[in-house]
Amino acid sequence: AQSVTQLDSHVSVSEGTPVLLRCNYSSSYSPSLFWYVQHPNKGLQLLLKYTSAATLVKGINGFEAEFKKSETSFHLTKPSAHMSDAAEYFCVVTLFTGGGNKLTFGTGTQLKVEL
Amino acid sequence: EAGVAQSPRYKIIEKRQSVAFWCNPISGHATLYWYQQILGQGPKLLIQFQNNGVVDDSQLPKDRFSAERLKGVDSTLKIQPAKLEDSAVYLCASSLVRGPVSYEQYFGPGTRLTVT
Repeated sequence: AQSVTQLDSHVSVSEGTPVLLRCNYSSSYSPSLFWYVQHPNKGLQLLLKYTSAATLVKGINGFEAEFKKSETSFHLTKPSAHMSDAAEYFCVVTLFTGGGNKLTFGTGTQLKVEL
Repeated sequence: EAGVAQSPRYKIIEKRQSVAFWCNPISGHATLYWYQQILGQGPKLLIQFQNNGVVDDSQLPKDRFSAERLKGVDSTLKIQPAKLEDSAVYLCASSLVRGPVSYEQYFGPGTRLTVT
């Protein structure tokens, strides 16, 4: 079985300050991990993915995440928040089933960015 | 390239009525997924198709939900009869699959269903 736990349901930061969204995973196999972002009334968009290559993964819009096997974590960070980053973020663990990837989503972290 | 298309975007029905959602995946994508996203939760996979065959429907409530992908392209998801707890956003996604390598899932904008 596989699962992810997003440790914060809401995070609030000031514009220009660092962002940290925390995620812990559980997987019986070497996991592939993703972060998705969901803006209001828009589809989910892939931010970045870890697939057992480099442990520090860079994504779009200045986001990055570090895979730490010893801590079973895959936290999402960004050095400086922008107003446009306000959205819901999902940590996702995936299992390849032969016919495609089976994604298991966390419960989401709502990021609020204040002036 | 065009993204994943879904319709309708919004639907309001009364409990015990039926409803159908439509999805058109990205051209050439063999794998199609339907997810249910209840308010405040992450999306949950309902069913996964590879071309027109079902790969995984273990979390589909088969007594009331059905889905088909007859020609391996478009798909429809139906609920009959609807219950209050079916109120959610229904997301469709598609991806390429080539051998053992699976690619990113691309999501549509979703259909927001309200059951009253």
